[in-house]
Amino acid sequence: DIQMTQSPSTLSASVGDRVTITCRASQSISSWLTWYQQKPGKAPQLLISRASSLETGVPSRFSGSGSATEFTLTINSLQPDDFATYYCHQYDVYPFSFGQGTKLEIK
Amino acid sequence: EVQLLESGGGLVRPGGSLRLSCAASGFTFSTYAMTWVRQAPRKGLEWVSSIGSRGTYYIDSVKGRFAISRDNSKNTLYLEMTGLRAEDTAVYYCAKGSHISSAEPVSWGQGTRVTVSS
Repeated sequence: DIQMTQSPSTLSASVGDRVTITCRASQSISSWLTWYQQKPGKAPQLLISRASSLETGVPSRFSGSGSATEFTLTINSLQPDDFATYYCHQYDVYPFSFGQGTKLEIK
Repeated sequence: EVQLLESGGGLVRPGGSLRLSCAASGFTFSTYAMTWVRQAPRKGLEWVSSIGSRGTYYIDSVKGRFAISRDNSKNTLYLEMTGLRAEDTAVYYCAKGSHISSAEPVSWGQGTRVTVSS
């Protein structure tokens, strides 16, 4: 099974900061990776698919990069609405798997 | 607009059964893979099962106990859960894939809560 490891688990930042979240896969998953944002009590929302393709309606301050085993989600100029938990997810091989999540907190 | 509405959750005793349903609208249901994802209290997301053009798939911890199915005539996805355990307690989300052969969650329902407790 493919293990997905996100770092950091918690990230403290301020409005206007640029932050980066890393996701590592235990084996190559090509670009079969998505990123989600989840707010408390709500369903996750898709931000990025195929590692770097921004979903329609997602602000351009979000970007994704990487391939094979190492991926990053970058948020430029953090906005108050961005403080949430972020998950990566591999859909290359079954069983699919998620990273453990990164909680982005206001500093 | 894609809409996914889960139902069927509730409180069940260990060893009991439940059937979750996910009513889909706003897209041609039969042409998309579908997935169930769960989230235990204060925990992360866990992929549970998917159904698509290549068949059905499950996480090891539910194999033999859960069964995913779909009724394309009713635009409904199901998750039949038997032999429920305390560790199955979670909010269960259904999600639409990007097409019939790709089950990565694109759109999500609001979830239905399952509590397994005596």
